[in-house]
Amino acid sequence: AQSVTQPDIHITVSEGASLELRCNYSYGATPYLFWYVQSPGQGLQLLLKYFSGDTLVQGIKGFEAEFKRSQSSFNLRKPSVHWSDAAEYFCAVGGSRGFGNEKLTFGTGTRLTIIP
Amino acid sequence: ETGVTQSPTHLIKTRGQQVTLRCSSQSGHNTVSWYQQALGQGPQFIFQYYREEENGRGNFPPRFSGLQFPNYSSELNVNALELDDSALYLCASRGLGDRQYTEAFFGQGTRLTVV
Repeated sequence: AQSVTQPDIHITVSEGASLELRCNYSYGATPYLFWYVQSPGQGLQLLLKYFSGDTLVQGIKGFEAEFKRSQSSFNLRKPSVHWSDAAEYFCAVGGSRGFGNEKLTFGTGTRLTIIP
Repeated sequence: ETGVTQSPTHLIKTRGQQVTLRCSSQSGHNTVSWYQQALGQGPQFIFQYYREEENGRGNFPPRFSGLQFPNYSSELNVNALELDDSALYLCASRGLGDRQYTEAFFGQGTRLTVV
């Protein structure tokens, strides 16, 4: 069964500081990996995705993530956060085992607070 | 703006009632998935519809059912509502062609409160 662990429930970062959100996954094959962001009461917006190829992927809003197979990790990074980045961040793994297995399994999320 | 729209935005129902939530998928997308997000949790997969047929289901009881229409819009129906059904219900659409994997785009969700 596929699973995702986000070990940090809540992270506080100063505006302008760097950010790294951790994500570990469990999946029996090469996974499809995603980071989504959710503002309060809103739906999910896709930040970036990894399907194959280059293990460092670039996303929107200046975010990037690195897939490390040996560590089963897909950590999200941003060199300098802005106050507007305050939100809930979800890592997700998607099935790569063919048709009908495309469901996303999400972690429990990391809430990001930005202080001035 | 993903092009995935859900209605209604908010809904309050009484325990034991039935509810129908609606989703219009993004243009060109033929696959719709539904997720339940309880407060403080990540979304949980309910089921997926591809070309009007269910082709994947999560660990939810049969009182959670769905439909997909020829225009690829979808409904989620929940019978015999329980207090624990209170959650944000998210619809996601994707375009599956030649069984290639594509990313899912989410709507804004329907907040269901069961009292």
